[in-house]
Amino acid sequence: RKEVEQDPGPFNVPEGATVAFNCTYSNSASQSFFWYRQDCRKEPKLLMSVYSSGNEDGRFTAQLNRASQYISLLIRDSKLSDSATYLCVVNALNSGYALNFGKGTSLLVTP
Amino acid sequence: NAGVTQTPKFQVLKTGQSMTLQCAQDMNHEYMSWYRQDPGMGLRLIHYSVGAGITDQGEVPNGYNVSRSTTEDFPLRLLSAAPSQTSVYFCASSYVLAGETQYFGPGTRLLVL
Repeated sequence: RKEVEQDPGPFNVPEGATVAFNCTYSNSASQSFFWYRQDCRKEPKLLMSVYSSGNEDGRFTAQLNRASQYISLLIRDSKLSDSATYLCVVNALNSGYALNFGKGTSLLVTP
Repeated sequence: NAGVTQTPKFQVLKTGQSMTLQCAQDMNHEYMSWYRQDPGMGLRLIHYSVGAGITDQGEVPNGYNVSRSTTEDFPLRLLSAAPSQTSVYFCASSYVLAGETQYFGPGTRLLVL
C-alpha cells in the first residue's frame, strides 16, 4: 500500500466553485504534512503546511485528522489560475527528512 | 538568491552512457535530495544528504550515485543509463528540521534511448 494516497481526479469545476481534495496516509507516526502545487512541466512548490488545528490561507483551507489519518484541502471561489496538480505530502520518518508524495490530484477550473 | 538550480534542462542519452545531473543551492541548506517523477507514479526519492559528506539511499537508488563534497552541490550520477531511467529529475533542498519546506529546482528531463 502506498504511504500517501490521493484521488487522481481530474476535477473539472467552474470558476467560483468550491472544491475539496482528500488524501490518506498510512504511517501513524508521520509528523509533518503539506500541500504542494505543481503546474504542468514545472517543479512542485509549497502551497501550505497543514497543522493539527487546521489552517487557512486566503481561499485555501487545510485540515488534518490524525485519528483517521487523512488530510484535506478546500479551495473556495476557484480561479482559472488554480488549475494545477495538487500534491499531498507527508514526511518520511525512515528517510531522514525526505517527503512522501501522493500522486497528485488534477484540478481544471473552467470559465 | 538563485534558489535551487539544475543543469541540464534536457538531455538525451543512449543506453549505456553515463552522465551527471548537476544541482546547486545558495540558501545554505543542509538537506538536499533527488527525486524522479514518472507519469502515474508521483515523485520518488532516489538519494538524499543531510550535510556535506553524508549521503543515504531513498526509495529507488539503483543505477544512481551521489556525493556531497560541499553544502551547495549535490550531483546525481547515472552510471550506465537504461531506458527505465527516462524521467524528470528534481533536486530539492531544505533546512534539516522536520516540517521544513523543501525547495525544488526546475527539473531535468532525461530521455534514454
